[in-house]
Amino acid sequence: EADIYQTPRYLVIGTGKKITLECSQTMGHDKMYWYQQDPGMELHLIHYSYGVNSTEKGDLSSESTVSRIRTEHFPLTLESARPSHTSQYLCASSEWGGRGETQYFGPGTRLLVL
Amino acid sequence: QQQVKQSPQSLIVQKGGISIINCAYENTAFDYFPWYQQFPGKGPALLIAIRPDVSEKKEGRFTISFNKSAKQFSLHIMDSQPGDSATYFCAARNTDKLIFGTGTRLQVFP
Repeated sequence: EADIYQTPRYLVIGTGKKITLECSQTMGHDKMYWYQQDPGMELHLIHYSYGVNSTEKGDLSSESTVSRIRTEHFPLTLESARPSHTSQYLCASSEWGGRGETQYFGPGTRLLVL
Repeated sequence: QQQVKQSPQSLIVQKGGISIINCAYENTAFDYFPWYQQFPGKGPALLIAIRPDVSEKKEGRFTISFNKSAKQFSLHIMDSQPGDSATYFCAARNTDKLIFGTGTRLQVFP
């Protein structure tokens, strides 16, 4: 089982609040990803990172931002939450080379913005 | 061209039957095709994967069939079990990024 953790698992918050979704992995993986997934629907890549101080925007436009100050930590921040941000957010990681194709996913954070 | 089209959207199979999920793509630059399994409340987990130089890969009850010329690949689940009930996503990799299909919700009834 992959060692990748996300907190909180569930979050209900009001419009306009600033939130940070946490993601940590203990596998020493360089590559990390954030996906947005509506229940039962496809995954959309919103951010990714190749390593410390590396962040890139994904294929789906997102108002969120990310940072990568430590290898194991890849938090996602919404400065001002809106109802349109209601979704599930999945964090994943993978390593360079070898079994680097395998992305290991965390359990997700389900966000509801009222 | 970055899309991966997946069908069916949902699938109901009796225990012991064969479940078949299909995916199609356009981008010939895709170089790796994994299938992920997702249970409710969990993140997706890698089930099986194939590279385009291989036409078939089998792991236990799970088989990927890959048709490079048709740009299609499919997942076959033999002897389907109730524990296989989950959502399945095909994906294709292009330069370190995975493009996911829309998912298939599989229900296996006893």
